[in-house]
Amino acid sequence: GIQVEQSPPDLILQEGANSTLRCNFSDSVNNLQWFHQNPWGQLINLFYIPSGTKQNGRLSATTVATERYSLLYISSSQTTDSGVYFCAVVAGRRALTFGSGTRLQVQP
Amino acid sequence: DGGITQSPKYLFRKEGQNVTLSCEQNLNHDAMYWYRQDPGQGLRLIYYSQIVNDFQKGDIAEGYSVSREKKESFPLTVTSAQKNPTAFYLCASSMTGGGTGSYEQYFGPGTRLTVT
Repeated sequence: GIQVEQSPPDLILQEGANSTLRCNFSDSVNNLQWFHQNPWGQLINLFYIPSGTKQNGRLSATTVATERYSLLYISSSQTTDSGVYFCAVVAGRRALTFGSGTRLQVQP
Repeated sequence: DGGITQSPKYLFRKEGQNVTLSCEQNLNHDAMYWYRQDPGQGLRLIYYSQIVNDFQKGDIAEGYSVSREKKESFPLTVTSAQKNPTAFYLCASSMTGGGTGSYEQYFGPGTRLTVT
């Protein structure tokens, strides 16, 4: 099956800093989603982005499907951005395959 | 409000007992999914269903069973055959379409199951 790798596994930032999270995948995909998992475990949809670039406030994402990677940009980070960020893809079967996540800690 | 509900939020069971986790959605989505998350890891697919009365095994289906009798509901039973059932269980749903199209998945709040 498809492999999804996320980097870095852990990231510590000072409030106000910018960051880039990366997601590499091993095969062509029909869907790519970015999620933020909050401390209570809820998965919050950030982007549905099988290709191209999208922006939502301080967050933006770019997927280059031909090169099999996606990037999530967080600008002017806030403490509320802390949590785990997951990349997940659909390839073949119609269900998501998740990466292991990037654990982000934003310090005041 | 439209959304996905899972109940209960926390569930405690003794080893050897079967337990059923509830998942209901009012988004009029055809497809529903069950994932399992262990501490510090990503989610893994247990079962999914694209349509009523039909479902497929995911990567870790052993020790689990599901039913899909109604479009809105996709309950998951964790049987005594599941060797390590303590985990966080998340249900999701999405629209479906023809061909190889894929639609955005939305998740419920999850159920934390502890088996002792």
